[in-house]
Amino acid sequence: SQQGEEDPQALSIQEGENATMNCSYKTSINNLQWYRQNSGRGLVHLILIRSNEREKHSGRLRVTLDTSKKSSSLLITASRAADTASYFCATDKHDYKLSFGAGTTVTVRA
Amino acid sequence: DGGITQSPKYLFRKEGQNVTLSCEQNLNHDAMYWYRQDPGQGLRLIYYSQIVNDFQKGDIAEGYSVSREKKESFPLTVTSAQKNPTAFYLCASSVGQGASGANVLTFGAGSRLTVL
Repeated sequence: SQQGEEDPQALSIQEGENATMNCSYKTSINNLQWYRQNSGRGLVHLILIRSNEREKHSGRLRVTLDTSKKSSSLLITASRAADTASYFCATDKHDYKLSFGAGTTVTVRA
Repeated sequence: DGGITQSPKYLFRKEGQNVTLSCEQNLNHDAMYWYRQDPGQGLRLIYYSQIVNDFQKGDIAEGYSVSREKKESFPLTVTSAQKNPTAFYLCASSVGQGASGANVLTFGAGSRLTVL
C-alpha cells in the first residue's frame, strides 16, 4: 500500500530558484527517505530523516519532518538544470517494506 | 564498481508468455526487492527477500514469482496470470534494517516490459 503522497504532482521553476515539495503519510514511521529518479532510470537515495529528527541538511537539500502532522518537505536551493527529475518520498516502518508516493516531477528551466 | 544490474533493459513479449527479468547485485546486500512502476504512480512492492532461500509477497504479488537461490541474484518471473504486465520494473537491494534500523535502498536501472 502507498503511504506517502507528494504535493505538488509537478513543479516548473527557473534555474537558480528554490523548489519545495511536500510529502504526507498516514501511519507512524521509523524514518522517511527522499529519492530522485531521472527519466527512465532507477531511483537514487538522497537523504534520510529519522522520526526523532526535525530537520536535516545535505548540500543544497533541506528536509523537514513534522511527525505530529505526518508530513515532510524537501527543499532544493539554487536549482540547476541537472535537478530536473522526479522526487519520491518513502516511509520506513521498520518492516523491510518501504512505501513510496507517486512523486513530484520537477522541471528546471534554463 | 559495486551496483545492481538489471537485464534486459527493454523486453517485448506476446500475451500469454512468461518472462523472466534478471537482477544481480555485487554489494553483498542481504535484502533484495522488486517494485513495479506505472505512469503517474509510485512504486508498488511485488516481492522482497531478506535472506537467501527466503522471500515474502509484497502488495501486488499476484501473477509474479521469484526465487532467491543465491545472495547476489533475485530474478522475477512475470507469468501469464498477470493481467496487466506492461510496466517499468525496478530491482533494489539493501543491507537490511541494519544496526541503525534504517533500510536504505540501492536501485538498478530498471527493465521496461511491454506486452503486445
